[in-house]
Amino acid sequence: AQKVTQAQTEISVVEKEDVTLDCVYETRDTTYYLFWYKQPPSGELVFLIRRNSFDEQNEISGRYSWNFQKSTSSFNFTITASQVVDSAVYFCALRHQGAQKLVFGQGTRLTINP
Amino acid sequence: DTEVTQTPKHLVMGMTNKKSLKCEQHMGHRAMYWYKQKAKKPPELMFVYSYEKLSINESVPSRFSPECPNSSLLNLHLHALQPEDSALYLCASSQVYSTDTQYFGPGTRLTVL
Repeated sequence: AQKVTQAQTEISVVEKEDVTLDCVYETRDTTYYLFWYKQPPSGELVFLIRRNSFDEQNEISGRYSWNFQKSTSSFNFTITASQVVDSAVYFCALRHQGAQKLVFGQGTRLTINP
Repeated sequence: DTEVTQTPKHLVMGMTNKKSLKCEQHMGHRAMYWYKQKAKKPPELMFVYSYEKLSINESVPSRFSPECPNSSLLNLHLHALQPEDSALYLCASSQVYSTDTQYFGPGTRLTVL
């Protein structure tokens, strides 16, 4: 069975604070792909990152960084020096090799207060 | 260019109306998707088209009828909807391979009265 858990339903921080969004997944497959998407109030799902199961290298993109740990089945997302524009719902998702279906977590609503 | 466009942005319809949602992509992708998203929930997959053929139907009621006229266009025909069908409908596209990222459009906010 495939499952993605985002235990944090809502997070609220003050601007410039660092914030980490947790994502834990369950899968029996050895080859799979993990994604993070951002959904601002406008509704569009914006792709942020894709990570392959065989590549555990962490990634940094500007203020965003991702920590992938297969040993704990986690793919956490950190925003450094948060800004009001980072306010959105963030979804973690899982996709298996050969599958077209994305399995989404329930999402984390992040609010950055000025 | 990673743009997927959807029209209309908003749609209000009665339960006896027939309407269509449209999606277009020009990224050369050969897989296209329809998702339904209720408030405060993640998107739920409805349909997948691969090479213009329906490859996945997630047991969606027949009042939703998808159509893929060509590799760039995806329609969702709506008929006799219920108020509980009110939601954000998202279109996405990708290459056919599972390694590839799905890119989403801005969605159509549908209200059924």
